[in-house]
Amino acid sequence: QVQLEQSGAEVRKPGASAKVSCKASENTFTSHYMHWVRQAPGQGLEWIGIINPNSGYTIYAEKFQGRVTMTRDTSTSTVYMELSSLTSEDTAVYYCARVKAARSPFDYWGQGTLVSVSS
Amino acid sequence: EIVLTQSPGTLSLSPGERATLSCRASQSVGSGYFAWYQQKPGQAPRLLIYAASSRATGIPDRFSGSGSGTDFTLTISRLEPEDFAVYYCQQYDSSPETFGGGTKVEIK
Repeated sequence: QVQLEQSGAEVRKPGASAKVSCKASENTFTSHYMHWVRQAPGQGLEWIGIINPNSGYTIYAEKFQGRVTMTRDTSTSTVYMELSSLTSEDTAVYYCARVKAARSPFDYWGQGTLVSVSS
Repeated sequence: EIVLTQSPGTLSLSPGERATLSCRASQSVGSGYFAWYQQKPGQAPRLLIYAASSRATGIPDRFSGSGSGTDFTLTISRLEPEDFAVYYCQQYDSSPETFGGGTKVEIK
């Protein structure tokens, strides 16, 4: 059973950055892409981007281009999602979600990390 | 970007009843690349159906998916108390992977 353990809740001021981590329990960390999705309070799911943990290659949603950076640390089986220039509209729960391959359903999800942006 | 529109927004039903949820795509989606998720309050989404009609591991057979092209359906044959939740459709045929706005299935 794959487990994705995310970092704890963060509170940030407008203009700051937030960095969320997602640690995978599996030995095959580099074999599976990882997506990031967010959910604003009471709203639906919004795709942010994807990282290939093996190569580090990333694809970001156009909306977040220039503000998001996804990285990975293969030694700890952890991926990171950093979002900069935060506004109140970035207040949301951020999820990592694993896929078996490109163009695959999101079969395992982290528990979510609440990022709150407030002055 | 493929836009997914779910209907209805809210479905009020009683346990034991049949639930039919719809999702319409703004352009054709390959059937192998369409999924449904269930989300309960305070929890991450859970994969129910992938490839439009295949149940994920451990999903009861009262859940079924169908459809192709631009119209997809999730059916819950007989609602159990634990099925009252929000359901999202998703296409992963083309980037960006997009989700529908969700259908809330609530107890009548």
